[in-house]
Amino acid sequence: GAVVSQHPSWVICKSGTSVKIECRSLDFQATTMFWYRQFPKQSLMLMATSNEGSKATYEQGVEKDKFLINHASLTLSTLTVTSAHPEDSSFYICSARVLGSRNSPLHFGNGTRLTVT
Amino acid sequence: KNQVEQSPQSLIILEGKNCTLQCNYTVSPFSNLRWYKQDTGRGPVSLTIMTFSENTKSNGRYTATLDADTKQSSLHITASQLSDSASYICVVSAQTGANNLFFGTGTRLTVIP
Repeated sequence: GAVVSQHPSWVICKSGTSVKIECRSLDFQATTMFWYRQFPKQSLMLMATSNEGSKATYEQGVEKDKFLINHASLTLSTLTVTSAHPEDSSFYICSARVLGSRNSPLHFGNGTRLTVT
Repeated sequence: KNQVEQSPQSLIILEGKNCTLQCNYTVSPFSNLRWYKQDTGRGPVSLTIMTFSENTKSNGRYTATLDADTKQSSLHITASQLSDSASYICVVSAQTGANNLFFGTGTRLTVIP
């Protein structure tokens, strides 16, 4: 089955530094990947939609300059949390769909737990 | 406004018992509805997909139902196991729109021995 790999699975960084999270579709191509944020005991909150070869679409309230998204190829999207602060500590998850299949299931990565000290 | 609401917010049941989780939605035009299981600290995994014409679908001990008229879906878990402890998320797809996915807030299920 389709596999989405997310790396790293956890990261601890100091306040003010930047952190990059990678999301790869291992055995399929995806023109669109999604980035979510999840706080403890809450559901997923869509942050942005990453489109290969074009700018990402951000949800209302998500700072595009803080959460930089790059979708350089059909199998890789990255989320960079810039100038991280403790309130950015959260669980970040990506998902992807098989290319050309708008209603196929989302395949999720296993998430990245970010802790900003 | 497109919304997906799930109930209960959390549920604790004894191992071996059955339970039913609910999902109500106002997403239109409706395309499909999926139930996902999310183990703690992991990404969600798809359990079932329901399209407009389907009323019920099973996947092992999981049975999903859909009433497109009342815009309600349920996920029934039979003979629960400790490994069923997880969050269950209902995701509804609309037929149109750049962002056509709407997430419920999830039901956190805890199965105790």
